[in-house]
Amino acid sequence: GENVEQHPSTLSVQEGDSAVIKCTYSDSASNYFPWYKQELGKGPQLIIDIRSNVGEKKDQRIAVTLNKTAKHFSLHITETQPEDSAVYFCAASNPGNQFYFGTGTSLTVIP
Amino acid sequence: SAVISQKPSRDICQRGTSLTIQCQVDSQVTMMFWYRQQPGQSLTLIATANQGSEATYESGFVIDKFPISRPNLTFSTLTVSNMSPEDSSIYLCSVVDSYEQYFGPGTRLTVT
Repeated sequence: GENVEQHPSTLSVQEGDSAVIKCTYSDSASNYFPWYKQELGKGPQLIIDIRSNVGEKKDQRIAVTLNKTAKHFSLHITETQPEDSAVYFCAASNPGNQFYFGTGTSLTVIP
Repeated sequence: SAVISQKPSRDICQRGTSLTIQCQVDSQVTMMFWYRQQPGQSLTLIATANQGSEATYESGFVIDKFPISRPNLTFSTLTVSNMSPEDSSIYLCSVVDSYEQYFGPGTRLTVT
């Protein structure tokens, strides 16, 4: 089955700096890669996603890149703000809609 | 995107009792799932809730402990039976709409 690894487990950045979270996957059949933000006391919220036929996608301060050959994808947050502090999960999904989640990254943005 | 609500949002239960969690979606969806998230951990799939048939359970989860109902395409329940402190966790309802997966706000369960 699919194996998704996520790094780092914790990340602290100064407000205004960039944050990068990386994930790798093992199953070449995976074709959809979402990212979730989970704030304390809430369920995971889909913030951005990318499909395997695209190398990069951007939405305001958030971007995701995908390298299919190397089987890794990354979340980039620019100009970080304190409200970006949360736990972020990556996931990989196959055509059967089976989702496999990373172990999460706790991001702290220091004002 | 699908909007998901869960009831209750949190509960404190005594060991040996059962709790039923409800999940309501604002649109008809084919695929609905139940996850468990232990404190500080990732998401663990419990089962896929199938409309009109028995749920499909993942390894380590059994129907006697986590019975699931799915009477229609917008509603499901998960029961945590004969609870022990190890069942203390967040239980999340999730749906796949097109290819995107969405989560409910979660039910925070504490078993004493």
